[in-house]
Amino acid sequence: DTGVSQNPRHKITKRGQNVTFRCDPISEHNRLYWYRQTLGQGPEFLTYFQNEAQLEKSRLLSDRFSAERPKGSFSTLEIQRTEQGDSAMYLCASSLTENIQYFGAGTRLSVL
Amino acid sequence: LAKTTQPISMDSYEGQEVNITCSHNNIATNDYITWYQQFPSQGPRFIIQGYKTKVTNEVASLFIPADRKSSTLSLPRVSLSDTAVYYCLVGDVISGGYQKVTFGTGTKLQVIP
Repeated sequence: DTGVSQNPRHKITKRGQNVTFRCDPISEHNRLYWYRQTLGQGPEFLTYFQNEAQLEKSRLLSDRFSAERPKGSFSTLEIQRTEQGDSAMYLCASSLTENIQYFGAGTRLSVL
Repeated sequence: LAKTTQPISMDSYEGQEVNITCSHNNIATNDYITWYQQFPSQGPRFIIQGYKTKVTNEVASLFIPADRKSSTLSLPRVSLSDTAVYYCLVGDVISGGYQKVTFGTGTKLQVIP
């Protein structure tokens, strides 16, 4: 499978714990995006990387959220001190051209 | 960012053509119009993209009038497997040459047998 891969697919954690998600983009895609999606809503942009540089962060990305993309390949999204409001689907997308993004299946986070 | 407005939901019978219209009155000169499809528990999937007039691929057609303030996604002869949420996006080309897309709430299409 050469699509965008996200792990884990599901994560259940207790409030206050830290969690980390991984995204492996399509090979050679230099652009990588993170989104958050809650039930009944469209994906909300969180952050964007071009190669290893994080070029934009949404105001939705509080100080508890951090994303990295070392070496411009895979990316990780970490949430510290999780809150129940962080429960959502976290989607990763990658692109080669400016206008078309390819999404992974997402990581569903449940904070108890 | 250009805002989009599309119907919250639509129903259609199998075999019919479905047209979903999206309004984007504030579309900018460099913006492209893109449609994505999303099934439950999956990420969105690219369907079609256009800038003006008509674009057609093996899945759908996209009609864009001259003023580009709206667009219509046309799905020919839908089947049950086309039941999904369809998002209309208007993409910004920000200085630096990349695009940040804004998803709305989408149109939930229910195909009825």
